[in-house]
Amino acid sequence: QVQLQQWGAGLLKPSETLSLTCGVYGGPFSGFYWSWIRQSPGKGLEWIGEINHSGSSNYNPSLRSRVRMSADTSKNQVSLNLSSVTAADTAVYYCARGLIAAPYDYWGQGVLVTVSS
Amino acid sequence: QSVLTQPPSVSGAPGQRVTISCTGSSSNIGAGFDVHWYQQLPGTAPQLLIYGDNNRPSGVPDRFSGAKSGTSASLTITGLQAEDEADYYCQSYDSSLRGVFGGGTKLTVL
Repeated sequence: QVQLQQWGAGLLKPSETLSLTCGVYGGPFSGFYWSWIRQSPGKGLEWIGEINHSGSSNYNPSLRSRVRMSADTSKNQVSLNLSSVTAADTAVYYCARGLIAAPYDYWGQGVLVTVSS
Repeated sequence: QSVLTQPPSVSGAPGQRVTISCTGSSSNIGAGFDVHWYQQLPGTAPQLLIYGDNNRPSGVPDRFSGAKSGTSASLTITGLQAEDEADYYCQSYDSSLRGVFGGGTKLTVL
């Protein structure tokens, strides 16, 4: 059974860099795109971007200047870095498995990241 | 502001039928990209409900169905049950190479 397990710092100060990791267990790492999606408190889902095992990536234009994703095939992990965070970046961050334009069939448990001074 | 537009809320009595709309544009749904639907229960991650416009993953009851026409899509739930009370999101892709979501619809079972 495929499982996505997420971890990372849950409390940040403004201007710091958000850093999250998503580990893929029980299924293949290559052949898929791994997406990051966030949900602000009480709000809808926002697509952040996607990356595959070889590092090919696409980012949301509204976040592109601050986002960096990476993939580590030796550990079956993908990482998300979001720089210069503000309170507006407070959200639950999810990783999810899919393909370009395909549905997300497996999701991580989500990590709440709070940005507060 | 979400790229895909959904009604904020819908409601229905047990046993009734409800439909949730999802409106996009010529650069996403209208460009031929598939529409997928997710159900999100409070405090949990979204779960795939419908994929490829009108296909159900294994385990999803046939009370749930999807449709797409032009730049819009819809999710229909028949025989409404109390356990269907949740938030529902549509999702597609855009020709600018990004995933796009609807703002979500809260379904209340009266």
